[in-house]
Amino acid sequence: GEEVAQTPKHLVRGEGQKAKLYCAPIKGHSYVFWYQQVLKNEFKFLISFQNENVFDETGMPKERFSAKCLPNSPCSLEIQATKLEDSAVYFCASSQVGTGTGGEKLFFGSGTQLSVL
Amino acid sequence: QKEVEQDPGPLSVPEGAIVSLNCTYSNSAFQYFMWYRQYSRKGPELLMYTYSSGNKEDGRFTAQVDKSSKYISLFIRDSQPSDSATYLCAMIQAGTALIFGKGTTLSVSS
Repeated sequence: GEEVAQTPKHLVRGEGQKAKLYCAPIKGHSYVFWYQQVLKNEFKFLISFQNENVFDETGMPKERFSAKCLPNSPCSLEIQATKLEDSAVYFCASSQVGTGTGGEKLFFGSGTQLSVL
Repeated sequence: QKEVEQDPGPLSVPEGAIVSLNCTYSNSAFQYFMWYRQYSRKGPELLMYTYSSGNKEDGRFTAQVDKSSKYISLFIRDSQPSDSATYLCAMIQAGTALIFGKGTTLSVSS
């Protein structure tokens, strides 16, 4: 598609429940990035993929968070046993080339608002 | 000290004003500098993209990078109510993830 599609737009989970978010990158883009936006403006990088391979996972919490990008499927970000502090907007972005190469223009989806109650 | 510092505002200006938005950074390895605009309940949208020091102009928007001072700016001329949004600076060094500032909320009144 011509835009990054994220689903669902809103997700409500009770503490301890699992949450799974999906992202379809722009067609032809090889790189996918996940960011967490807490308290409206603080963006935190989580993980990036080059096709189905993890490219950079330095921002991923070691426990409870996992992500995948499989061929012919939307990418996914899964949070096991959600906590109150996981409440945030999760943005997915895609780009044609990797970061630091001079072509990294990231295109963002509209985000998934996760509320953990 | 955070890698990227940006005054969150809010900044309120009348229509037609010149707006100046700024970020400072501490990592001298940053090479690429961007400004994103984010409307409420939307993802960030790339506005300006510059490499190294210098100016870049696109319509009413001008981006400036001063690597010696570790300082970047975005100027908006003839501001419009439709420019009301949050503006995020972002920067990157080779092989790493994009780092965002906290964003400055701008309100342009008609």
